[in-house]
Amino acid sequence: DSGVTQTPKHLITATGQRVTLRCSPRSGDLSVYWYQQSLDQGLQFLIQYYNGEERAKGNILERFSAQQFPDLHSELNLSSLELGDSALYFCASSARTGAGQPQHFGDGTRLSIL
Amino acid sequence: QQPVQSPQAVILREGEDAVINCSSSKALYSVHWYRQKHGEAPVFLMILLKGGEQKGHDKISASFNEKKQQSSLYLTASQLSYSGTYFCGTELWSGAGSYQLTFGKGTKLSVIP
Repeated sequence: DSGVTQTPKHLITATGQRVTLRCSPRSGDLSVYWYQQSLDQGLQFLIQYYNGEERAKGNILERFSAQQFPDLHSELNLSSLELGDSALYFCASSARTGAGQPQHFGDGTRLSIL
Repeated sequence: QQPVQSPQAVILREGEDAVINCSSSKALYSVHWYRQKHGEAPVFLMILLKGGEQKGHDKISASFNEKKQQSSLYLTASQLSYSGTYFCGTELWSGAGSYQLTFGKGTKLSVIP
């Protein structure tokens, strides 16, 4: 158990809908990262937050947004969903930001778009 | 830019050794290694930092050649529990005030009895 909690574990919805994925980092970790994993693309970095502020952006679509709240939990919002958004979404956390920080992953949310 | 891992897949018998390679065309600050079993979350194994420092696992070793921007993960005397997909992540300065970790496509390792 990494200590990172993601909910829900599974989500099934339809195209055009909006969903929110939730992540609680390990106790004491200030940095949260979101990744998308699909079969052909591996782990794609989406976005990072550190202590409530956005720190880095990767290949995140404009239809996707995220935030980190004062209690350090984070939410990833996906809107106008398309079939291609079906994937595993992982949240990871680390103690601090900056280089050389081990990241600890949650169990992921499996999103299926019908 | 995504690092390149090789081989893409490897099958070992218990007790055999394996080497997984990861290379980048960019100057790296560090290389991370993770293992993911089917249907589970990636698990942190090791970080190799520029300058030679290592953080991580005591049963798996790795090297980082800073001049060539290459890293190798060494799995010795493999056990069934080593099966999974191994990802390297290369960390470099994003130019926007932060470091960014980019993962390779993974190497699927299968250990058979």
